[in-house]
Amino acid sequence: QSVLTQSPSASATPGQRVTISCSGSSSNIGSNTVNWYQQLPGTAPKLLIYSNNQRPSGVPDRFSGSESGTSASLAISGLQSEDEADYYCAAWDDSLNGWVFGGGTKLTVL
Amino acid sequence: EVQLLESGGGLLQPGGSLTLSCVASTFTFRNYAMTWVRQAPGKGLEWVSIINNGGGVTYYADSVKGRFTISRDNSKNTLYLQMNSLRAEDTAVYYCATGVSSSVRSGFDYWGQGTLVTVSS
Repeated sequence: QSVLTQSPSASATPGQRVTISCSGSSSNIGSNTVNWYQQLPGTAPKLLIYSNNQRPSGVPDRFSGSESGTSASLAISGLQSEDEADYYCAAWDDSLNGWVFGGGTKLTVL
Repeated sequence: EVQLLESGGGLLQPGGSLTLSCVASTFTFRNYAMTWVRQAPGKGLEWVSIINNGGGVTYYADSVKGRFTISRDNSKNTLYLQMNSLRAEDTAVYYCATGVSSSVRSGFDYWGQGTLVTVSS
């Protein structure tokens, strides 16, 4: 059971917008920023969003992040087939004194 | 481009010990926190341990506390994970990753390709 809660799966068709949510608590998302990672099949994870809504250089602006209270969201607009991947949220947890991940959301592009 | 190369994985029996290494290149290693994250076969990501840029601050997941030790040698641009009393549930691909900054709370930026550790009798 992951400390951060994500829906196991999501799906949408090319061109659509999809939102992946991440629910936590006051000790993690409620008091620290959220990062999002994309893991394409058979590859290492890649940083997609940091500090709730910042994109590293090279990440398309189709990807955006937001945070409200103890929840965070990753939105992908103009969905493309190459976006099919697993997506993970992560945050520092002040009670555990460590990082916690969500269980991951498998995004399928129909 | 940032390069991280993990090594040291392998097959070993329960109760055994192993040390993983992660050699970094093309960035100023001593300026960044470093972390280990693992992924069991077919499972999600699990954070294991993190060390600040100077090596004086370390944190561990409860699942490995007391058994694993993270360390770094900034003169060799190398991160280590000493793993003792290994269990079957430690079987996973182990990734090293750079911090976004020197702080352990800044998140993980670049990731290596991982090294597989299999614990089985």
